[in-house]
Amino acid sequence: AQKITQTQPGMFVQEKEAVTLDCTYDTSDPSYGLFWYKQPSSGEMIFLIYQGSYDQQNATEGRYSLNFQKARKSANLVISASQLGDSAMYFCAMRERSGGSYIPTFGRGTSLIVHP
Amino acid sequence: GAVVSQHPSWVICKSGTSVKIECRSLDFQATTMFWYRQFPKQSLMLMATSNEGSKATYEQGVEKDKFLINHASLTLSTLTVTSAHPEDSSFYICSATQPNTEAFFGQGTRLTVV
Repeated sequence: AQKITQTQPGMFVQEKEAVTLDCTYDTSDPSYGLFWYKQPSSGEMIFLIYQGSYDQQNATEGRYSLNFQKARKSANLVISASQLGDSAMYFCAMRERSGGSYIPTFGRGTSLIVHP
Repeated sequence: GAVVSQHPSWVICKSGTSVKIECRSLDFQATTMFWYRQFPKQSLMLMATSNEGSKATYEQGVEKDKFLINHASLTLSTLTVTSAHPEDSSFYICSATQPNTEAFFGQGTRLTVV
């Protein structure tokens, strides 16, 4: 079963508008971490934001915020005031314990295109 | 954030030859490194988990003898694609981490086997 689900293969947003990228997850581990990464066409993976399962507050990093709804097992990424440079693939990932190590699992990704 | 350097960023090799890809954590000691393979427009597929000083743990379906992983020090892991074939052409990316921290990624290596 897929542990990380990103249901939006592609999203379009106009410059300066906000956009929400969906992510739901599945785990029975009470201690886990959720991440979002950005992958531009160059291929590098850029860490954006992290949310721990015990964190009470939603994580924020500049224009990025994570809408963490634990009961619904969702961890949506909100990008405010989109910029043309935000066009990229976005991956949601979860880290949970597996055999003594923390193994990250990635979703299929969402391709975001920001247009003028 | 921490810096992970992956080298080379791209390589073209002849079918039947071997290619080594290096992953270095430049400013921290990486107890664990992960190797991923990514096909165009797809997600990262975990190939193996590498802990310093021990044998790598390979995911199901990944050939150990074809994808040799060595993690000899806390700052260096290598992936060697042995006897490469065109179907091995892909984007390979490593990440390095310490316990309870986010994983930092290298720049990736685009391998083309001709």
